[in-house]
Parts: sequence; structure tokens; C-alpha cells
Amino acid sequence: KAGVTQTPRYLIKTRGQQVTLSCSPISGHRSVSWYQQTPGQGLQFLFEYFSETQRNKGNFPGRFSGRQFSNSRSEMNVSTLELGDSALYLCASSLASTESSYEQYFGPGTRLTVT
Amino acid sequence: AQSVTQLGSHVSVSEGALVLLRCNYSSSVPPYLFWYVQYPNQGLQLLLKYTTGATLVKGINGFEAEFKKSETSFHLTKPSAHMSDAAEYFCAVSLAAGNKLTFGGGTRVLVKP
Repeated sequence: KAGVTQTPRYLIKTRGQQVTLSCSPISGHRSVSWYQQTPGQGLQFLFEYFSETQRNKGNFPGRFSGRQFSNSRSEMNVSTLELGDSALYLCASSLASTESSYEQYFGPGTRLTVT
Repeated sequence: AQSVTQLGSHVSVSEGALVLLRCNYSSSVPPYLFWYVQYPNQGLQLLLKYTTGATLVKGINGFEAEFKKSETSFHLTKPSAHMSDAAEYFCAVSLAAGNKLTFGGGTRVLVKP
């Protein structure tokens, strides 16, 4: 089975621009979560989508948004980029259910650099 | 709310020596606990997980962890370190529902020959 894939792997953007990152989960997985990893803040949860609905959201400003498609693929968008948005963005997928938590499988990440 | 504390941001061990990485958590409900490993320029790989049942959990690459409810701990061990174990290790907790992982700050392991 193919793992979680993320595109692009590397991205350089300028302050004020917007960016869209893509994540394809493992086949059959319905939940997709996004995390931001920075040296200063570590790994922080952004949001989770399950069956095209945002089920959980972390403490990030509204500039960070996401969506999930009917095939479970997910995108996250960051508008009006700031220097502090430079990070490794990780996507994770899991089988998940509405009642219990299953292990999450992570993709290789997208390294975003904002200049 | 849940939180995770990993003692020691850096650990140095000799090849063949015991690896011990400490993780303490706080959670308002019985937690699901995980250990992940991250190699340079890669994503996170699941080492092992505790959900319910046996408190000693065996994972991949010879790692194991023991859930101790009374100590709110989930320490990771490996009897004999290998050079390939050099990486960063993250402990994480989630509640039964919602699938959100809360991570510790990570412990970077250096293995000396």
C-alpha cells in the first residue's frame, strides 16, 4: 500500500502571498490531520478532516484553512504568509472512527520557506 | 486538556548501550499514547502505541514502552542502541475521540560508536 504523499516537498514563498499544500492519504483512510513543525514551537496540531468535514481544529489564526475532498485527499491553504509561517507541514492519515482514535501515519512533509 | 513532557531534549548513548527516553503526560481521560521517530528531512514514523490492555508495548526496531498509570509515564526503551537509532523521538497523547495528537518537545538521540 502506498503511504501518505504530500506535494510539493519544498516551497519558497514571499511574505503576503498565499500557498496551497496537498496531501493524499493512505488508501481507505478517511481522516486527514495537519501539523506544523517548527524549531521553536515543535509539533502543533492545525486541523483534522473526516469525511469532508472539519472535525477538530487547533489554535491557529484564520489564515490557515483546509478542506477535504470526497476521495479523502486534503489541501491546506495559508493566506497572507508571514515569516513565522516557515515550517515543515506534516499531513497524517488514519482509519479513524467517530468514537476512537487510531494510529496516524505521516507523510514526508512540505518544507515551506517564507522570505 | 492533555500535555506531554519529554525529559531531556538531547540524549547521547554509546552503541550497544541501553536507550531510555522519558515521557510523562497529563490527560483528563484515559489516554492513547504513542512514540514516533523522525529521521532528518523525513516525516514521523510510528514506533509503538498504547491504547488499552497490556501495559508493556513492543514496537518496531526493538523498541518497547511501558504505560504506568500511577506515574503518568510512558517511557521508551531499547536494550542495545544501534547507529541507525540516531534520530529524534516524539511522545504523543490523544484522547479517545477527535484524533488530535499532542506531542512532547522531542528528544534527539545521538549514538556514539
